[in-house]
Amino acid sequence: DTGVSQDPRHKITKRGQNVTFRCDPISEHNRLYWYRQTLGQGPEFLTYFQNEAQLEKSRLLSDRFSAERPKGSFSTLEIQRTEQGDSAMYLCASSLGSADTQYFGPGTRLTVL
Amino acid sequence: QQPVQSPQAVILREGEDAVINCSSSKALYSVHWYRQKHGEAPVFLMILLKGGEQKGHEKISASFNEKKQQSSLYLTASQLSYSGTYFCGTVTSDNYGQNFVFGPGTRLSVLP
Repeated sequence: DTGVSQDPRHKITKRGQNVTFRCDPISEHNRLYWYRQTLGQGPEFLTYFQNEAQLEKSRLLSDRFSAERPKGSFSTLEIQRTEQGDSAMYLCASSLGSADTQYFGPGTRLTVL
Repeated sequence: QQPVQSPQAVILREGEDAVINCSSSKALYSVHWYRQKHGEAPVFLMILLKGGEQKGHEKISASFNEKKQQSSLYLTASQLSYSGTYFCGTVTSDNYGQNFVFGPGTRLSVLP
């Protein structure tokens, strides 16, 4: 399968713990996006990478969130000191270029207790 | 700026038609349409580029009106499998580059 993959698919954690999610994009895609989605809402943009460079980060994103794409391939999203409001589906998508179709991974569902 | 989608929700009987609209306050470079089923990731349907065109995908087609800064998604003879939430994603340009923003979604329910 050459689609976007994410790991883990589900994560349950206690408030205050750190969590890290991984995304493996489609191999030739330069762009990688992270979104957060809560029930009944559209995907909310978090950040994106052009190869290994993080070009934009949502102003709504807390300093507890950090993302990396060290070699321009896979990416990680870390949330430090999780809060109950962080509970959501975290989606990763990749595309060839800025205006190209974004292909989504299956998402990581985070539950903070 | 998030595009506006209408209606927010629609209920159809199998075989009926529906139209979902997406409008932007800014000039559009392209419009993307996605469908998301409950508990699954969004799935790409089609992309409409500035200077295009009306596209079709089985019984689902879309149009793009650059002057009105809007796009419409047409679902013809709906099937049960069409149920889900439909999102438009708009690409706009400013001095800093291109921006991609999803709309809030339109929830479509097709009943037997």
